[in-house]
This record gives sequence, C-alpha cells and structure tokens, in this order.
Amino acid sequence: EAGVTQSPTHLIKTRGQQVTLRCSPISGHTSVYWYQQALGLGLQFLLWYDEGEERNRGNFPPRFSGRQFPNYSSELNVNALELEDSALYLCASSSDRAGQPQHFGDGTRLSIL
Amino acid sequence: AQSVTQLGSHVSVSEGALVLLRCNYSSSVPPYLFWYVQYPNQGLQLLLKYTTGATLVKGINGFEAEFKKSETSFHLTKPSAHMSDAAEYFCAVSPPFSGGYNKLIFGAGTRLAVHP
Repeated sequence: EAGVTQSPTHLIKTRGQQVTLRCSPISGHTSVYWYQQALGLGLQFLLWYDEGEERNRGNFPPRFSGRQFPNYSSELNVNALELEDSALYLCASSSDRAGQPQHFGDGTRLSIL
Repeated sequence: AQSVTQLGSHVSVSEGALVLLRCNYSSSVPPYLFWYVQYPNQGLQLLLKYTTGATLVKGINGFEAEFKKSETSFHLTKPSAHMSDAAEYFCAVSPPFSGGYNKLIFGAGTRLAVHP
C-alpha cells in the first residue's frame, strides 16, 4: 500500500514568490492535514481538509491556503513568501473524519532566500 | 488552552538500556494523547495513542506509554533500546471532542540517541 506522498521534496524560493505543495493521501483516506515544522517552532497545525471542505485551520495568516480535490489529494498554497516560511511542510491523512492524522508523508522542505 | 511539555530535548541511552521519554500536558479535561516518531528525513509515524480505557498503551516497535491523570503525564518507555530507535519523538494532545480532535498540539520533541 502506497503511503502519503508529497511533492516536491525540496523547493527553493525567494521572498514574495508563491509556492504550491502537493499531497496524495493513502488510498481510501478522505482527510488530509497540513503541518508546518519550522526550526525552533516545532510542529504547528496548518489546515485540515475532509471530503473536499476545509474543516479546521491553525493560527496562520490567510496567505496560507489550500484545497482538496475530488480524488482527495490536496494542495497547499503559500503566497507572498517570507523568510520565516522556511520549514518542512508535512501532509498527513486518515480514513476517519473523527480520527487523528496517522500517516504522514516525508514532507516538502521549503527554503526561502 | 492545551499545551504539551517534553522534558529533555536530547536523551542518550546505551543499547539495551531502558528508554524513558517524558511528556506532560496541560488541559482542563483529559485529552487524547499520542506519541509519534520521526526518523531522519522522513515524516512522522504514529507509535501509540490513548483515548479512553486502559491507561497503559502498547504501541509499535516495543514502545508503551502510561496515562497518569493525577500527574498529567504520558511518558513513553521501552525496556531495551535498539540502535534503530534513534530518532526524534513527539508527544501530542488533542481535545477529546469532535472538531478539535483533528487539531493535534505537538510538544517540542525529544531526540533520542542510542550508543553501542
């Protein structure tokens, strides 16, 4: 069974640019979660999508947004990139709306220059 | 507001020794509790979780954790460390009701080193 897959694995951007990160959940999983793992800040909850809808959002500015597609894959978009957006972005999925993110991808490492 | 404190950002043990990683939480009601492991350059993997019922929870790779409400703790243990256990370990909590259940709050992590 394929796990949660994320692309790309690494990205380098400059301040002010926009970026799109992609996530494919485990087959059959309808919920997708996004977390940011920044140096010194730990793991922070970003977004939760289920059945195509945004269900919950962490304490991040509106320039962090995303969507979930009919096939349950998801995109995370970050506009107007800032230096502090440099982090590992982790996607996770679960099969149960009431469940916790059980399976994480290996992440996308975003570096802002 | 809920919070998680992991005591010790780095823990070093000898192979075969007991592993003890500490986690304390702050919550007005007993939360759901989780331990995740992150190997280098990988995502997180769920080790074990406590929701309700038996307070001693067994997880994968020989790890277990005990929920102690009186101590607001959920320490992770393994009787005998293996070299492959070297990783970063995260304790996490979520509120025990729908809606908040999906919003995990993570501790800062403990990096476990295992030496021969």
